[in-house]
Amino acid sequence: NAGVMQNPRHLVRRRGQEARLRCSPMKGHSHVYWYRQLPEEGLKFMVYLQKENIIDESGMPKERFSAEFPKEGPSILRIQQVVRGDSAAYFCASTPTSAKGEQYFGPGTRLTVT
Amino acid sequence: KNEVEQSPQNLTAQEGEFITINCSYSVGISALHWLQQHPGGGIVSLFMLSSGKKKHGRLIATINIQEKHSSLHITASHPRDSAVYICAVTTNTGNQFYFGTGTSLTVIP
Repeated sequence: NAGVMQNPRHLVRRRGQEARLRCSPMKGHSHVYWYRQLPEEGLKFMVYLQKENIIDESGMPKERFSAEFPKEGPSILRIQQVVRGDSAAYFCASTPTSAKGEQYFGPGTRLTVT
Repeated sequence: KNEVEQSPQNLTAQEGEFITINCSYSVGISALHWLQQHPGGGIVSLFMLSSGKKKHGRLIATINIQEKHSSLHITASHPRDSAVYICAVTTNTGNQFYFGTGTSLTVIP
């Protein structure tokens, strides 16, 4: 049973480009969380999704950021018109059917905006 | 003020020492989590607990719900324990995780 997969592991984008980060949860997990870790800072919650639904996006910046978790395929975190301040590690985690269960983390995507 | 506070921020220990990392929180929780983040960046969940004590190998986690405090203990520490240890809580009112800023542990041979 493969763990949580994230790709790409490293992503370099120029200012103004779009970044797409993918997260495939563990098999049988239908809940996905996205977190951001800025350099020298702790992890911050961004968004919580179930299949085809955004449950809580209170941690998402109001502009340029969006997330989805379609019925088929991975969860996508999309950042439009990236700026240098978006450079960070983005982690996703998945849980089984219980929304408050133990979370299994992916290896993260390190986004660098040049 | 952060919802989750950890201490110490940095900790250096000699191999074999007993280590304690503390976590205090200010919100109502459904569970508290201890996570380990290695220098490569990957995050591993060590414990999830809502009461009492859990043990896994040389690691022990305790929680006192009344005092809103948890501790992570490492017995017979080893250089491979060097990592950042993060305390996080799941609130009982929502779906969010609140994270502490982490404790950077270095175990010297």
